Amino acid sequence: AQSVTQPDIHITVSEGASLELRCNYSYGATPYLFWYVQSPGQGLQLLLKYFSGDTLVQGIKGFEAEFKRSQSSFNLRKPSVHWSDAAEYFCAVGAYGSARQLTFGSGTQLTVLP
Amino acid sequence: DAGVIQSPRHEVTEMGQEVTLRCKPISGHDYLFWYRQTMMRGLELLIYFNNNVPIDDSGMPEDRFSAKMPNASFSTLKIQPSEPRDSAVYFCASSLNQRGGRTDTQYFGPGTRLTVL
Repeated sequence: AQSVTQPDIHITVSEGASLELRCNYSYGATPYLFWYVQSPGQGLQLLLKYFSGDTLVQGIKGFEAEFKRSQSSFNLRKPSVHWSDAAEYFCAVGAYGSARQLTFGSGTQLTVLP
Repeated sequence: DAGVIQSPRHEVTEMGQEVTLRCKPISGHDYLFWYRQTMMRGLELLIYFNNNVPIDDSGMPEDRFSAKMPNASFSTLKIQPSEPRDSAVYFCASSLNQRGGRTDTQYFGPGTRLTVL
């Protein structure tokens, strides 16, 4: 069965600093990978997704993620964090080569200091 | 587009009562998903539908939980009887079938926060 690990429960960065959120997956075939963001009291919003092709994926709000098969990772990055980026971030993997049955990681809470 | 709509946004009920959560997917989407989010278990897929037909309900925790989709624009998740351990945020999401599901994007509603006393 597929699984996703987000090793960092909580990360704090200063506004303007760079950000990297870690995601490791376990899946036997080519994974379909996603990053979602959840603001307080809101649903999940898709930041970016990887299905195939270029391993560096660009998303909304200035985020990007890089798929590294050798490391089973799909880390999320942003060069300069804004206060509005404070939220919880979820990595997910699509099961059975599909984007329908998603398995989510436990999430990383991001705090942004002024 | 209005996005996925869920109601109510908050529900407080007493143990043993029936609870019904409602979802209106994005118009034209043919897949609908119900998720549950708790601190202990994170975000879990409960059930999903394709063209109003349940495809996989293996995530439904118990027989107390049931979900229906009578038409393309409406789905319900019912808990009867409710228990305190059902307290969670329940999300509905919808997607449009593209290329056999390989590139579908799920769009989430704002969720219903359920508290069972």
